[in-house]
Amino acid sequence: GAVVSQHPSWVICKSGTSVKIECRSLDFQATTMFWYRQFPKQSLMLMATSNEGSKATYEQGVEKDKFLINHASLTLSTLTVTSAHPEDSSFYICSARDGVRHDGYTFGSGTRLTVV
Amino acid sequence: GIQVEQSPPDLILQEGANSTLRCNFSDSVNNLQWFHQNPWGQLINLFYIPSGTKQNGRLSATTVATERYSLLYISSSQTTDSGVYFCAVKPNSGYALNFGKGTSLLVTP
Repeated sequence: GAVVSQHPSWVICKSGTSVKIECRSLDFQATTMFWYRQFPKQSLMLMATSNEGSKATYEQGVEKDKFLINHASLTLSTLTVTSAHPEDSSFYICSARDGVRHDGYTFGSGTRLTVV
Repeated sequence: GIQVEQSPPDLILQEGANSTLRCNFSDSVNNLQWFHQNPWGQLINLFYIPSGTKQNGRLSATTVATERYSLLYISSSQTTDSGVYFCAVKPNSGYALNFGKGTSLLVTP
């Protein structure tokens, strides 16, 4: 099936710094990718839709200036958490769909961000 | 937006028992998937099942799209089945998957 690679798997950063998370579709092209956030013992909440070559679409309540999304190619989307604070600590996971295979959405392995 | 309700929220089984997890959704969908989230957070796709019935080993799933629900069956449960099971749907009018709150399953020896 389709494979989505996400890096890093975990990251610890100091408050006030920025962190970049990469999401790559390895064996298919993805014009659209999705970024989710999951807090402990909660469900996955959609943060934004990343569109190749255009601006991302953010869900209500998600600060677009804090969570910068860049989708510069058909296989790569990045999420940058800017000026991170402890409340940004969470599990971030990306997703994409191979429009050819028609077998649903594939998810990356996630990034556990801890801001200290 | 679309509402996705999963039941039960928590489930404890003894190894070897069978179980049924349910997912109700509030609008028409053209994509429904069941996932198992392992202790490391990775989402394992179990089924892509917008309609009909599928089976994979001890797991099977049925979606009745016209009645807006899906069921995940786990037979002869094993301790490795423990984890959180999510149902996620994409409404006809949307682009992304919307997740239910999950069912947390613990299988004891």
